[in-house]
Amino acid sequence: GEDVEQSLFLSVREGDSSVINCTYTDSSSTYLYWYKQEPGAGLQLLTYIFSNMDMKQDQRLTVLLNKKDKHLSLRIADTQTGDSAIYFCAESIASSGSARQLTFGSGTQLTVLP
Amino acid sequence: EAQVTQNPRYLITVTGKKLTVTCSQNMNHEYMSWYRQDPGLGLRQIYYSMNVEVTDKGDVPEGYKVSRKEKRNFPLILESPSPNQTSLYFCASSLKGGQGRLNEQFFGPGTRLTVL
Repeated sequence: GEDVEQSLFLSVREGDSSVINCTYTDSSSTYLYWYKQEPGAGLQLLTYIFSNMDMKQDQRLTVLLNKKDKHLSLRIADTQTGDSAIYFCAESIASSGSARQLTFGSGTQLTVLP
Repeated sequence: EAQVTQNPRYLITVTGKKLTVTCSQNMNHEYMSWYRQDPGLGLRQIYYSMNVEVTDKGDVPEGYKVSRKEKRNFPLILESPSPNQTSLYFCASSLKGGQGRLNEQFFGPGTRLTVL
């Protein structure tokens, strides 16, 4: 399958900005996603970006997309202890027929230090 | 409440003892999928189903079976579990998706399986 790559760990101080990076492989991906996994829970969709956009902002979250380099990033402003979680980027890939599936990265464990 | 449920949440078993992890969704989703999550490896897809009676292998299907007799249910079967199947398992569902369509997957809470 396709590889979606992320660094495994990131630590930041409370109040600082966090930037989580991801590289993806399928240039035909229509949407790119960020999922958040809190301790002991399943994944929840955090935000997404449509492939014809360069940037999307949603409150404290900013998603940047560089299609030329196939690079996606998630910036969390004013990071709080409640943001501590694993963050997965995902791309949608072509599957059988017209359906598309998600391929996930390895996840980045974000630790917010007081 | 729209949700994906999995049972059991925790299971400790022994090598070779058949087990089934159930998954059910109440959102009338066509697509369902099973993943396993292991440290440093992210989520790896085991099997998926595009609709009733339609299943296909994901990236790591060995040692697993699935069935999709009803739209809402997608059980994961381990006929003869082995210690390397110790992992955290997630079921997910979504609308079928397609080119140009948002493909949000909804995840269950996970099943922590330990095979001794």
